[in-house]
Amino acid sequence: AQSVTQPDIHITVSEGASLELRCNYSYGATPYLFWYVQSPGQGLQLLLKYFSGDTLVQGIKGFEAEFKRSQSSFNLRKPSVHWSDAAEYFCAVGGYGSSDKLIFGTGTRLQVFP
Amino acid sequence: KAGVTQTPRYLIKTRGQQVTLSCSPISGHRSVSWYQQTPGQGLQFLFEYFSETQRNKGNFPGRFSGRQFSNSRSEMNVSTLELGDSALYLCASSLGGGGASYNEQFFGPGTRLTVL
Repeated sequence: AQSVTQPDIHITVSEGASLELRCNYSYGATPYLFWYVQSPGQGLQLLLKYFSGDTLVQGIKGFEAEFKRSQSSFNLRKPSVHWSDAAEYFCAVGGYGSSDKLIFGTGTRLQVFP
Repeated sequence: KAGVTQTPRYLIKTRGQQVTLSCSPISGHRSVSWYQQTPGQGLQFLFEYFSETQRNKGNFPGRFSGRQFSNSRSEMNVSTLELGDSALYLCASSLGGGGASYNEQFFGPGTRLTVL
């Protein structure tokens, strides 16, 4: 069965520090992978996506993610975190069968200290 | 292009009532999916409609239903509301079509439903 695991429920970093949010997926075919961000009370904003090609994907707000098939991972990174990055981050996988539906991880809440 | 719109943005209902939420997809998109987001269960897929037909369904009771109109707009209905139905309901649209290609979903701002 398809699944997405985000092992870190809550991460706290200092402003200016680097960030890596982990995501592992279980999927029987070529996955389509996404990272979304959600600020409190808001909907989901797409940060970046991987469909094929270069395994290092650049997104908005200075985020990037690397697809590693051998590790079934799609970790999100940012070299220097800003206070405005504090939010909840969701990894998702899509592309199963004839559906466009997404399977989401449980999310990682990022807290940024000044 | 205008994005995905959802109405209403906020709703307060009492247990036992029913509620209807609306979603207007991006122009040209034929697939609409609904998700429920709660603190305990996270983001869970409810159902997907494509060309007025339900194409996929998640593991929710029959109290949750939906439909899609010929203009691709979609509604979801929850009958006999329970306290646990309090959630953010997100709608997403995509080109649809399925098959070998995957079509990215675009999310609306959500409808916050509170059941008292």
